Amino acid sequence: AQSVSQHNHHVILSEAASLELGCNYSYGGTVNLFWYVQYPGQHLQLLLKYFSGDPLVKGIKGFEAEFIKSKFSFNLRKPSVQWSDTAEYFCAVNAWRGSTLGRLYFGRGTQLTVWP
Amino acid sequence: DGGITQSPKYLFRKEGQNVTLSCEQNLNHDAMYWYRQDPGQGLRLIYYSQIVNDFQKGDIAEGYSVSREKKESFPLTVTSAQKNPTAFYLCASSHPPLGGSYEQYFGPGTRLTVT
Repeated sequence: AQSVSQHNHHVILSEAASLELGCNYSYGGTVNLFWYVQYPGQHLQLLLKYFSGDPLVKGIKGFEAEFIKSKFSFNLRKPSVQWSDTAEYFCAVNAWRGSTLGRLYFGRGTQLTVWP
Repeated sequence: DGGITQSPKYLFRKEGQNVTLSCEQNLNHDAMYWYRQDPGQGLRLIYYSQIVNDFQKGDIAEGYSVSREKKESFPLTVTSAQKNPTAFYLCASSHPPLGGSYEQYFGPGTRLTVT
């Protein structure tokens, strides 16, 4: 089975600091990669996704992520965080096996707290 | 307004009782999923269904059951056999993978407390 590792369980930053959240996965084939965000009291929603093409993908609210195939990584970044970015962030992966796309696997999540 | 609805938002039950959580979607998605979210454990897949009248076990199916009689509905029953049922339950849906598109859309969740 695949696994998804998010190494940072809780990150605390001050506003305007830069953010990088790590995500590594275990599957060696073709993958689709996602970052989801869960703001306090809100639905889990898609932040950004990678299917193919440019490994640097941009999402909502100024977030971006870079797919590095050789490192099996899909780290999330934001140059300057805001208090409103306080949320839990989940990395997720699914893998193609031939012409079949498998189910989604989620990491354990990273709680980001931004102090004003 | 398209989306996924889960009801109720909060649910309380006594130990030993079965309880059914509702999930409805009007996105015309074929695939639906149930996840359990516990602090520090991320989302764990309980059951999923890629088409009506068919479903598969996820990673933690023991103590749960589902049905998929209609495309828009995927109810989850938490049975008395589930040893630790208190959790936040999330329902999701997606189109089947076509041309690489496979993002999942999530409902607001149901917080179940069993005492």
